[in-house]
Amino acid sequence: EDQVTQSPEALRLQEGESSSLNCSYTVSGLRGLFWYRQDPGKGPEFLFTLYSAGEEKEKERLKATLTKKESFLHITAPKPEDSATYLCAVLTIQGAQKLVFGQGTRLTINP
Amino acid sequence: GAVVSQHPSRVICKSGTSVKIECRSLDFQATTMFWYRQFPKKSLMLMATSNEGSKATYEQGVEKDKFLINHASLTLSTLTVTSAHPEDSSFYICSATKGLLYNEQFFGPGTRLTVL
Repeated sequence: EDQVTQSPEALRLQEGESSSLNCSYTVSGLRGLFWYRQDPGKGPEFLFTLYSAGEEKEKERLKATLTKKESFLHITAPKPEDSATYLCAVLTIQGAQKLVFGQGTRLTINP
Repeated sequence: GAVVSQHPSRVICKSGTSVKIECRSLDFQATTMFWYRQFPKKSLMLMATSNEGSKATYEQGVEKDKFLINHASLTLSTLTVTSAHPEDSSFYICSATKGLLYNEQFFGPGTRLTVL
């Protein structure tokens, strides 16, 4: 069964304190791995898609990386406005277009 | 762009009534739309996948007679919660893809349903 596990469940950082969020996956065949940001009471906002091990993508203070077993979302010098829940999801070869989501990491950046 | 809207954003209804939620892709044609349900502090749970002009495919455990999905056009899908009960109270989110060659799903802002 395809499985996605995110850690930690919650993370509190001081403004400017860099860190990484982890997304581990066990799937039969990966078509793509996606990172989304979700603010309270809102729908997920698309951040990145990664397709193959070794791939990296960056957007402002965020950088996503991918290996054969996991993905990391690195956040550099975060600001309070980066506070949100970050969701990881995978698209599998067998799953047609269905995304399998992890449980998310709630990130809080204190000023 | 890839903007998806939902209407209404919030709805409160009495137990036993039906509620319709609309999901629209505003600047692209969505061959496939998805409906998710999200409980507080939990991740998204896929309820069903709908393709324009055909019947929706429901996930295991989702009652298709209770959650009616219609994908009448390439820009509109609707979810109707029939005979709603308090346990149906939740955050409902739709998403859409641009087509089979596109993997990214773009999400709507969600609809908060409260059943009294």
